[in-house]
Amino acid sequence: AQSVAQPEDQVNVAEGNPLTVKCTYSVSGNPYLFWYVQYPNRGLQFLLKYITGDNLVKGSYGFEAEFNKSQTSFHLKKPSALVSDSALYFCAVRDIRENNNDMRFGAGTRLTVKP
Amino acid sequence: DAGVIQSPRHEVTEMGQEVTLRCKPISGHDYLFWYRQTMMRGLELLIYFNNNVPIDDSGMPEDRFSAKMPNASFSTLKIQPSEPRDSAVYFCASSHTEAFFGQGTRLTVV
Repeated sequence: AQSVAQPEDQVNVAEGNPLTVKCTYSVSGNPYLFWYVQYPNRGLQFLLKYITGDNLVKGSYGFEAEFNKSQTSFHLKKPSALVSDSALYFCAVRDIRENNNDMRFGAGTRLTVKP
Repeated sequence: DAGVIQSPRHEVTEMGQEVTLRCKPISGHDYLFWYRQTMMRGLELLIYFNNNVPIDDSGMPEDRFSAKMPNASFSTLKIQPSEPRDSAVYFCASSHTEAFFGQGTRLTVV
């Protein structure tokens, strides 16, 4: 079965600095990879996805992520962080090879951007 | 489309009572997921459906939990009887490729 690891519970960055939120995955076949953001008392909001094609994918709010097959990683990045980016971020994976097509999420990383 | 709609938004119930959570997925989506979120356990997949058929319910914690999807536009998650440890936020999400989440139901069992 597929799985996702987010090795950092918490990431702190200063406003205006670049940010990276890490994600590694494990699947048997080819992965669909996703990033979501969750603000307090809200549902998860879709940010971006990798299905196929260019390894660098761009999403909402200036976020991007790079798919690295050799390192089985899909790190979320943003060149210049905003205080309003502070939230809980989740990486997710679906294994499109298996019949079991569920979506598994990492434990989440809390991003805090300080002014 | 209004997105995934869950009801109620908040539910407070006494231990032993039956609780039913409802979800209306986005029209045209062929997958529907139920997740539970707690501080201790994070986001757990409980069950998911493909074209209204339950595919994997291995995440359902106990027989007290059941889920149905009688048609493409409606699903329920039922807990009977409820217990305090069931207190959590329950999310429904629908998907074709990426999943779209509802606002969640915050369940408190006292």
